[in-house]
Amino acid sequence: LAKTTQPISMDSYEGQEVNITCSHNNIATNDYITWYQQFPSQGPRFIIQGYKTKVTNEVASLFIPADRKSSTLSLPRVSLSDTAVYYCLAVYYGGATNKLIFGTGTLLAVQP
Amino acid sequence: DTGVSQDPRHKITKRGQNVTFRCDPISEHNRLYWYRQTLGQGPEFLTYFQNEAQLEKSRLLSDRFSAERPKGSFSTLEIQRTEQGDSAMYLCASSFRDYRLAGTGELFFGEGSRLTVL
Repeated sequence: LAKTTQPISMDSYEGQEVNITCSHNNIATNDYITWYQQFPSQGPRFIIQGYKTKVTNEVASLFIPADRKSSTLSLPRVSLSDTAVYYCLAVYYGGATNKLIFGTGTLLAVQP
Repeated sequence: DTGVSQDPRHKITKRGQNVTFRCDPISEHNRLYWYRQTLGQGPEFLTYFQNEAQLEKSRLLSDRFSAERPKGSFSTLEIQRTEQGDSAMYLCASSFRDYRLAGTGELFFGEGSRLTVL
């Protein structure tokens, strides 16, 4: 399972774009980059996933360069409600369990 | 609400007592996971079921912990002789693995059961 590294915390203001970078130097060929969001006292929630290049949904964008050794989660125009912990994971869906291995995540604090 | 539900949401118990948590996954999901999370840490994997079969258990799951998923539907996680170190949020998640599609199997988490052992 690929190890991911991301900043422990980030600060931002409402209306700004936030980019959280994750490094995964030993990512395997079949791994997908997956991001989850967790609010206090709730379970994590899937945000976005991708394999390469760029993926965009109604919540975020995910940029993955050609070498796939890093990725960037982009949150456009954050609001106070985006304050949460964001987890970057490398997930292999072909395995027997596809269990998720979480790190400590990035605590994003959005201020007014 | 058709999401993953967990019960109870909060449990306070005295050291040495037994506690049981229940998880009802999303109905069509064939995979069920239990995680434990302590303050400031990411969730830690405990165990996994494919339908009714328990296929993997973490070394974190001591002999005092037992999980079941009879009939491949709801699951229970029991902790016997609780210790203060068992205080944590216990999270259940479910997923559906479609082997025909690459990159599928997103985990859907419940809101967790918070255990406090006094």
